[in-house]
Amino acid sequence: DAGVTQSPTHLIKTRGQQVTLRCSPISGHKSVSWYQQVLGQGPQFIFQYYEKEERGRGNFPDRFSARQFPNYSSELNVNALLLGDSALYLCASSPLTDTDTQYFGPGTRLTVL
Amino acid sequence: QKEVEQNSGPLSVPEGAIASLNCTYSDRGSQSFFWYRQYSGKSPELIMFIYSNGDKEDGRFTAQLNKASQYVSLLIRDSQPSDSATYLCAVGGFGNEKLTFGTGTRLTIIP
Repeated sequence: DAGVTQSPTHLIKTRGQQVTLRCSPISGHKSVSWYQQVLGQGPQFIFQYYEKEERGRGNFPDRFSARQFPNYSSELNVNALLLGDSALYLCASSPLTDTDTQYFGPGTRLTVL
Repeated sequence: QKEVEQNSGPLSVPEGAIASLNCTYSDRGSQSFFWYRQYSGKSPELIMFIYSNGDKEDGRFTAQLNKASQYVSLLIRDSQPSDSATYLCAVGGFGNEKLTFGTGTRLTIIP
């Protein structure tokens, strides 16, 4: 079975621009979460979506937004990019069964110049 | 105070020995506990999860949970050079709306 897929793999933007990152969960998984991982740190929770509804939001500014589509894929949007937004953006999917484990995709490496 | 704390390392262990990785957490309401392995430049890969006090074994890996002490550990037996990576401890609440990660422990297995 295919794992979590993310696109693009790498992205270079300049300050002030906007970016959209995409994620497709594992087949059968209805929950998608987004995390930001800055070099040398653990992933930080941004959003969780389940059945197209936002279930949780981390401590990130309103420049960050996301949505989930009927096929359970998801997009993360970041507006007005700052240098500090440079990071690995990770998407994780979960079946939300009693185990609730989250499986990560390969990530999108965003560099803001 | 950090919510999930790990020793950043690096932790060096001889090949064939037991590697012991530790993690403490601050939220007593935490319900689920995970260990992820992350190779340099790659995304985290789930190794183990544990929900109940005690030990859980999977091959060469054993996760240990002590909720009273708010402590989680991962033991890797017969360490191999391929085990060299950063190990992330993650903690979740009921329903897993989010995972809170530690900063990770960098493990190096010395041949």
